[in-house]
Amino acid sequence: GENVEQHPSTLSVQEGDSAVIKCTYSDSASNYFPWYKQELGKRPQLIIDIRSNVGEKKDQRIAVTLNKTAKHFSLHITETQPEDSAVYFCAASMPQKLVFGQGTRLTINP
Amino acid sequence: KAGVTQTPRYLIKTRGQQVTLSCSPISGHRSVSWYQQTPGQGLQFLFEYFSETQRNKGNFPGRFSGRQFSNSRSEMNVSTLELGDSALYLCASSFTSGAYPYYGYTFGSGTRLTVV
Repeated sequence: GENVEQHPSTLSVQEGDSAVIKCTYSDSASNYFPWYKQELGKRPQLIIDIRSNVGEKKDQRIAVTLNKTAKHFSLHITETQPEDSAVYFCAASMPQKLVFGQGTRLTINP
Repeated sequence: KAGVTQTPRYLIKTRGQQVTLSCSPISGHRSVSWYQQTPGQGLQFLFEYFSETQRNKGNFPGRFSGRQFSNSRSEMNVSTLELGDSALYLCASSFTSGAYPYYGYTFGSGTRLTVV
C-alpha cells in the first residue's frame, strides 16, 4: 500500500543537542521527499526537501538524507533551539498526492 | 505573492448539516489538494484537483466531495455532518511540473470545523 512510517512520534532533546527523525516509504516510484514543520495553531510549512537524484541536502542547521535503496530518509537538526519545538511531518510523493507520515512532536528542553 | 487562502477559518455546524469550504491557491498553481488533520490521524489525503479534474481521491466516504473551478479555486463539501468530521481541513496548492509535480507544495491556514 501507499504509506509513510515516521519515527519517533515524540522526541525530547536538550537545547544545543541534535535531533534526528526517520521515515520510510513504500512506493519505489516516489521521487520527492519534503519535510514540514507545524507550530501550534499554524499551517504546516516546508522547511527542506530532497529529490530522488540527490543523497543529501543541507540548509544551515537542517539536513536531510535519502537512501533510495532502503527507501528511507531522515531529518537532522543540529544545535537545536527552543524555536525548533514543533511537530515535524515527512512526506513522499505518490501518484497525484503527497503521503505524510504521522508526525513527530519535537520538544527542546532549555 | 499571496499565499494559499482558505475560508472560513472557523466553522461550527450541527450534526446532519452540510458545509462548504473554500480554497484559493497561489497564483499560477493549478493543483489543489485537500487534507483532513486530526490529533490522532495526522494528515489524511482527501482528494486532488488539477485543471478542474479530480485526479486522486483518498479513503473517505462519499459524503466528502470537491470541485475545482477554471480559475483553480477549489471547494470541498461535506454533507450529513458527523461528530467525527470535526477536524482541521487544510488545502495545499502546487505548481505541477514534469517529474517533480509537488515541488513548492504550500498549505493554507486551514478551516477548523467543529461539529456539535
